[in-house]
Amino acid sequence: DAKTTQPPSMDCAEGRAANLPCNHSTISGNEYVYWYRQIHSQGPQYIIHGLKNNETNEMASLIITEDRKSSTLILPHATLRDTAVYYCIVRVGGGNQGGKLIFGQGTELSVKP
Amino acid sequence: GAVVSQHPSWVICKSGTSVKIECRSLDFQATTMFWYRQFPKQSLMLMATSNEGSKATYEQGVEKDKFLINHASLTLSTLTVTSAHPEDSSFYICSAASGVGEQYFGPGTRLTVT
Repeated sequence: DAKTTQPPSMDCAEGRAANLPCNHSTISGNEYVYWYRQIHSQGPQYIIHGLKNNETNEMASLIITEDRKSSTLILPHATLRDTAVYYCIVRVGGGNQGGKLIFGQGTELSVKP
Repeated sequence: GAVVSQHPSWVICKSGTSVKIECRSLDFQATTMFWYRQFPKQSLMLMATSNEGSKATYEQGVEKDKFLINHASLTLSTLTVTSAHPEDSSFYICSAASGVGEQYFGPGTRLTVT
């Protein structure tokens, strides 16, 4: 599976949009981009995933560049409860393939009042 | 939906003893379960993958005789840390996936070996 690069930390003001970048320049054509987050001392929580097209759900939006070498996770109105470590992961297989996830170091997002 | 539980949520044991951690998928059948370990200030490290009714597949560097994994049913997998030592103290997290769904993670189990 391709590797990802994320900034180690970011700050965001409460109520503003949080834009978390991820670089995955070696991604293959059959690899999906996944985002999970982990709030301190809890298990990771699935956020969103995509292959080529931009995706949106009730939690976030995922913007994938046309060349698929990078993506951005957008939390439209960050709250204090969004403070967590966010992991960008690329892996082969979509929703119907429970393939293994390899976690990098992630981005520690701090949402400040 | 897609709830995964772990038991216990934390455990303290003495060096040399064995500890069993359970992972259950509460509202779906998990054909595959994964076990991770996380040390403080570090990312999750995949330890092994288990499919129901099959032997687990361990990641490189993970001792299969020390970390025994059993996935006897579609809703339950167990991780037994045998002859635990202080260096095994960690946060152990499982995840479960069905054939048509994403991986969902349990809340984790904090193991402290004294």
